[in-house]
Amino acid sequence: DSGVTQTPKHLITATGQRVTLRCSPRSGDLSVYWYQQSLDQGLQFLIQYYNGEERAKGNILERFSAQQFPDLHSELNLSSLELGDSALYFCASSASGGAAGELFFGEGSRLTVL
Amino acid sequence: QQQVKQSPQSLIVQKGGISIINCAYENTAFDYFPWYQQFPGKGPALLIAIRPDVSEKKEGRFTISFNKSAKQFSLHIMDSQPGDSATYFCAASRPDNTDKLIFGTGTRLQVFP
Repeated sequence: DSGVTQTPKHLITATGQRVTLRCSPRSGDLSVYWYQQSLDQGLQFLIQYYNGEERAKGNILERFSAQQFPDLHSELNLSSLELGDSALYFCASSASGGAAGELFFGEGSRLTVL
Repeated sequence: QQQVKQSPQSLIVQKGGISIINCAYENTAFDYFPWYQQFPGKGPALLIAIRPDVSEKKEGRFTISFNKSAKQFSLHIMDSQPGDSATYFCAASRPDNTDKLIFGTGTRLQVFP
């Protein structure tokens, strides 16, 4: 158990809809990362937050947004969903925000868009 | 320049054999190279990592070999076991104000008894 909790584990929705994925980092970790995993693209970095502030942005679509709350949990909002958004979304956390270190991943939220 | 290229996509090895997975990168600013292991239904977990000031790092049956001039690094799994069957991801990160990891596309390893 990594200590990172993601909900929901599975989500099925229709095109055009909006969903919110939630992540609780390990106790004490200030950094939260969101990654998207699809079969042909591997793990794609979406966005990082450190202590409530956006720290880095990757290949995140404009239809997607995220935030980190004062209690350090994070939410990833996906809107105007398309079939191609079906993927496994991982949250990871780390203690640091500026020096390379271990990322602790949750078990992911599997999103299916029909 | 941000990519990490990983090969092979899949690998089948007999129990007791050596599994070798290779990665290459372009960005010379990368200075941290971890390998993550992912079992089905689980998130990736750190297996072993190396920095470019050493050419090799060994932890048990797992070894990272690093070639800075060629911008390549590889994971060797000695005496491969069925329990090693998983997907392996190489990754890299830069020493800037974030420690986000850029991952390779993954290698699915199957070890048969």
